[in-house]
Amino acid sequence: GAVVSQHPSWVICKSGTSVKIECRSLDFQATTMFWYRQFPKQSLMLMATSNEGSKATYEQGVEKDKFLINHASLTLSTLTVTSAHPEDSSFYICSAIAGGRGPGVDGYTFGSGTRLTVV
Amino acid sequence: GNSVTQMEGPVTLSEEAFLTINCTYTATGYPSLFWYVQYPGEGLQLLLKATKADDKGSNKGFEATYRKETTSFHLEKGSVQVSDSAVYFCALFGGATNKLIFGTGTLLAVQP
Repeated sequence: GAVVSQHPSWVICKSGTSVKIECRSLDFQATTMFWYRQFPKQSLMLMATSNEGSKATYEQGVEKDKFLINHASLTLSTLTVTSAHPEDSSFYICSAIAGGRGPGVDGYTFGSGTRLTVV
Repeated sequence: GNSVTQMEGPVTLSEEAFLTINCTYTATGYPSLFWYVQYPGEGLQLLLKATKADDKGSNKGFEATYRKETTSFHLEKGSVQVSDSAVYFCALFGGATNKLIFGTGTLLAVQP
């Protein structure tokens, strides 16, 4: 089945630095990828939708200059948390849909998540 | 707009007990419905799905039936195991946007 690899699985960074998280579709081409943020004991908050070769669409309230998303190829999307602060600490999860296939076929395929801790 | 309402947790059960996690939805048209499971420290895994009314999704002993008349997609399992302890998310896809909408998640804790 479809596999999405997310890297790193956890990262600790100093306040003020930037962190890049990668999301790769390993055995399919993902025309659309999604980035979610999950707070402890809470549901998933959709941050943005990235489409290959175009600018990401951000959800209301998400700072696009803070969370930079790039989807330069059909198998890779990256999320960069710029000038990270402790309040950015969270669990970030990506998901992908295969090109030409609706989620009703296989649902979305999720990465294993990245635990970001900003100290 | 579309939304998913899921019963609050945590749900604590003894091993071999019967499980029900309620999920209802609001949507225009005919959405697809999903249950995802998240084990501690991991991402989400698709547990089961149903794409039209009266469909029953099933996997690993879990079942859920798409009930259009009650706009529900309750998750059930006849006999839970400790290994089923996780957070379960009900989700909906439908409408013009290409987005998956999640419920708030329900933490299930199964005790031996």
